[in-house]
Amino acid sequence: DGGITQSPKYLFRKEGQNVTLSCEQNLNHDAMYWYRQDPGQGLRLIYYSQIVNDFQKGDIAEGYSVSREKKESFPLTVTSAQKNPTAFYLCASASGSSDTGELFFGEGSRLTVL
Amino acid sequence: GDSVTQMEGPVTLSEEAFLTINCTYTATGYPSLFWYVQYPGEGLQLLLKATKADDKGSNKGFEATYRKETTSFHLEKGSVQVSDSAVYFCALHSGGYQKVTFGTGTKLQVIP
Repeated sequence: DGGITQSPKYLFRKEGQNVTLSCEQNLNHDAMYWYRQDPGQGLRLIYYSQIVNDFQKGDIAEGYSVSREKKESFPLTVTSAQKNPTAFYLCASASGSSDTGELFFGEGSRLTVL
Repeated sequence: GDSVTQMEGPVTLSEEAFLTINCTYTATGYPSLFWYVQYPGEGLQLLLKATKADDKGSNKGFEATYRKETTSFHLEKGSVQVSDSAVYFCALHSGGYQKVTFGTGTKLQVIP
């Protein structure tokens, strides 16, 4: 089945540690996105990538980093510089040939800083 | 810039009640409009969409009509079920590789 796989589903981190969230898609989509979700704040865009080896900052990129070395993979690293990293993280993808903007989401990863 | 405003929740309804969740938007040009649904602990799923004015999107008994004159895309369902309990997000996309703009979400709770 085609879709987006995020891992791990739950992750605990001590303060000062970097953690990497995995996102893999087999939909052959060009564009991939990372969103952060906090209660009552909807979805906020962290980073997005339209093609391999290229990515752009979203609205809240500080304290995060990404890479796009393969079309199907878009990992997100939450660095120790992120002041409040506890949140639900969502990865999404979209077909570059579609102009409608429909997004396909993974199941999410919940990060808790201890 | 683009923005989406949704009615605040939570919305609590009895089973078989009529549902309306209001959504209005601000955008340049002619955006595509979406409703996504998020069940507890899961990612978002597309519920319905409309790509041009006066289009009606529908799915699973939910409907929304793209009203350009009122810049609205209100979500409706005639008879809600307990299984409809979720968070509903209105969103817009202004075209090409522009980012998708989301509303803050409306939590719906349906009680038996």
